[in-house]
Formats: sequence, structure tokens, C-alpha cells
Amino acid sequence: AQKVTQAQTEISVVEKEDVTLDCVYETRDTTYYLFWYKQPPSGELVFLIRRNSFDEQNEISGRYSWNFQKSTSSFNFTITASQVVDSAVYFCALSVHSSASKIIFGSGTRLSIRP
Amino acid sequence: SQTIHQWPATLVQPVGSPLSLECTVEGTSNPNLYWYRQAAGRGLQLLFYSIGIDQISSEVPQNLSASRPQDRQFILSSKKLLLSDSGFYLCAWSVYRDKVKEQYFGPGTRLTVT
Repeated sequence: AQKVTQAQTEISVVEKEDVTLDCVYETRDTTYYLFWYKQPPSGELVFLIRRNSFDEQNEISGRYSWNFQKSTSSFNFTITASQVVDSAVYFCALSVHSSASKIIFGSGTRLSIRP
Repeated sequence: SQTIHQWPATLVQPVGSPLSLECTVEGTSNPNLYWYRQAAGRGLQLLFYSIGIDQISSEVPQNLSASRPQDRQFILSSKKLLLSDSGFYLCAWSVYRDKVKEQYFGPGTRLTVT
């Protein structure tokens, strides 16, 4: 069975601080995909990144970076120089290789950036 | 480009009344479609998914049903709403081919059962 754990329920930091959101996953499949989504107060989930199990390269996109480590089954998300607009609930998710492309979501981390 | 629509945006319904939420996708063909529910302050629960017309899979037993009468239309229904059906309902789509696995979500419907 697959599982995604986001142990941090809520995080609050002051603007311009760096913050890391943790994600640990479980699966016995060798082919799988990992995702991060952002849910701002409006409610709509916004896709941020997809990583497949064969690509452990870390990725950076502006102030966002992702650290994928298969050895620890983790896919952590770091926001550098956080801004108030980064305040949202962030979900880590996992999908295994299948035609249905079902995604298992973690419980989410609520990130609050204080000015 | 692809877009996904959901309506209504908000809905207040009394207990025991019927429900119909609609989701449509534009700009793609034969998408996988999904219905999720998010209770207040909670994570996402997958309710139904569909890989084709009239092909519906239910993830959890509940008071709801889903139908897919057309390729890009997905409907969530209930004959009699319960208080526990309140929540934020999200529709999503994905496309299996080309190894695109991520799902793209609609704006959601906030349902309050009173």
C-alpha cells in the first residue's frame, strides 16, 4: 500500500525566512511519481512539480527547490526568502504507475508567512 | 490549453435534498477524471475516478454516486444529502498518455448541508 506523511501540520515563519516542508512516502513500486501542490485560500489546488522515481536530481524553480532522496523516501520542499503570498496549504502526493493515475495525498502542511 | 470548470461554486442544501455537481474539461480528449472531497481543515479524500465514459470506480462507500455521460463531463450526485456530506468538492483531470501523471484541479464547489 502507498502512503504519504507530512508530519508538520502547521508552520509559521517571518517573511524572508527560509522554510522546508517535509514529505515522507511509502511504496513498494519501483516506478512512481511524486508531486507537490499548493492550495491558497481560494481553495483551488495548484500543481507545482512532478518527480518520477528514476530521476533523483534536485530541482530549483525561482525561490522553490525540491530535494528528492530515495534512500530516505523523502521529497522535501524548500521555499527560500519566503513571502506572504506563499501562505497556503501545501500537499505532497504520490502516484504509482497505472492507467488510472490515482494520487495519494498527504494530509497537508499549513504554511503561514508573517509580515 | 486545457481548462476545467466546476459549478456551482457554492451551494447550501438542506439535509435530505438531492445533489448534482458538474465538472467539465475542455482542450483534451479521453481524460481521466476524479472527484475529491476535502472536509474543513483536512486533506483530500478521493471519492470516484473514471478512465472513460460510463467507467466509474468508487473509492469509498458513501452516500454519493458519480456518472460520466460524456467524455469530458463528470457528475457527482446524491439522492439524499447528509450533514456529513458538507465539504469542499474538487474535480480533477489527468491524461495517462505521454506519461503525464499530474492531476489538474478545478476551482471547487463548497457545499454546506444544513
